[in-house]
Parts: sequence; structure tokens; C-alpha cells
Amino acid sequence: AQTVTQSQPEMSVQEAETVTLSCTYDTSESDYYLFWYKQPPSRQMILVIRQEAYKQQNATENRFSVNFQKAAKSFSLKISDSQLGDAAMYFCAYSHRGSGYALNFGKGTSLLVTP
Amino acid sequence: EAGVAQSPRYKIIEKRQSVAFWCNPISGHATLYWYQQILGQGPKLLIQFQNNGVVDDSQLPKDRFSAERLKGVDSTLKIQPAKLEDSAVYLCASSLATDAYEQYFGPGTRLTVT
Repeated sequence: AQTVTQSQPEMSVQEAETVTLSCTYDTSESDYYLFWYKQPPSRQMILVIRQEAYKQQNATENRFSVNFQKAAKSFSLKISDSQLGDAAMYFCAYSHRGSGYALNFGKGTSLLVTP
Repeated sequence: EAGVAQSPRYKIIEKRQSVAFWCNPISGHATLYWYQQILGQGPKLLIQFQNNGVVDDSQLPKDRFSAERLKGVDSTLKIQPAKLEDSAVYLCASSLATDAYEQYFGPGTRLTVT
């Protein structure tokens, strides 16, 4: 069974600074996808960034980037130039074709952004 | 493009009562997922539909939970009878097909069982 572990229940960052959220996963699959989702207090789950396991290049979306270490099964999210609107729960998730791409989520990291 | 719609947004019931949640996916999305998110945890898949057929319901507590997706469009998730531990947010998500890995989530329904 695939597991996703987020070891940081809470993180704090100052506005304009950079923060890194950690995620590790366990799988025996070779072809899979990894995601970071953001869930503000309103509860709407929003996709932040995704990474295809077959791609060696780390994904980047504006201020968000990942460090994907396939051999180590590590998938961290870096948020640069943090903004107050980045405050939310962040979930790391995994999916693969064999499960119909159903998402397997970690427990989440609560990010606090201070002025 | 309209997003995934869910109703109601909030529901409070007593234990042993029944409750139903409704989800309307994005138009044209063949795959629909129901997730349960207990406070302080990540969402957990309950059931996955491809059109009106069930792909995976291995984590659905079938003694009390049921779900259907008639005509392959909107879906209903029912709990009967509810238990205290069913208190959670129920999230619906949809994607174009089972080979489309990007899911779009609705706002969720917060259920409180007293």
C-alpha cells in the first residue's frame, strides 16, 4: 500500500520569506504522480503543483517549486516570497494509474504566514 | 466553466439519523470521487465512479454508507444510520477520465453528528 507522510504538522514563515514543506512517500510503482494541494479555511481544495514521476525536472509554478528526489521518495514544496494568502493547510498527495488516479493524502501541514 | 457543486454545505444530525449529500461534477467529467476528511487528517477515498459504474469502493463502510451516480452525472452519498465518528467533511472531486490525473474539488459538506 502506498503511504504519504508529512512530518511537519505546523510551519511558520514571515511574509516575503521562503519556506519548505516536507513530504515522503512509499510505493513500489514506477509510474506515478505527486501533488501538493492547498486547503484554505474555506475548505476548497486547490491544486498547487504536480510532478510526474517519469520527469526528472522539478516542477515549478510561479512562486511554488518542488524538490523531487525519486530514489529517496521525497517530494518537498518550496514557497518563495511568501504572501499572507499562502496561509492554509497543505497536503501532499500521491496517485497512480492502477488506482484510477484516486488520491492518497498525507495528514497535512498547517502554514502560518506572519506579517 | 462551473466548478464541482456540492450541497448542503453544512449538516447537523443526531446519531442514528440518516443524511444524504449531493455532488454535481464539472460538465463532461466522467470520473467522480467521494472523499471523507476527518478533522486533522487528510482526505480519504470512499468511492470512485467511472460514468455510472463503481471503480473502487473498498474503503466505503457498506453497512451504513451507500452511493450512486445515476446517468453518470451527479452523485448522492448517503449515511444510514449515522454514527458520531462520521463527523467529517465530505469532499467530492471529478476528473475527465480515469486516465486523467488532475482532480477538481468541490467546497465540501461539513457533517456534524451529535
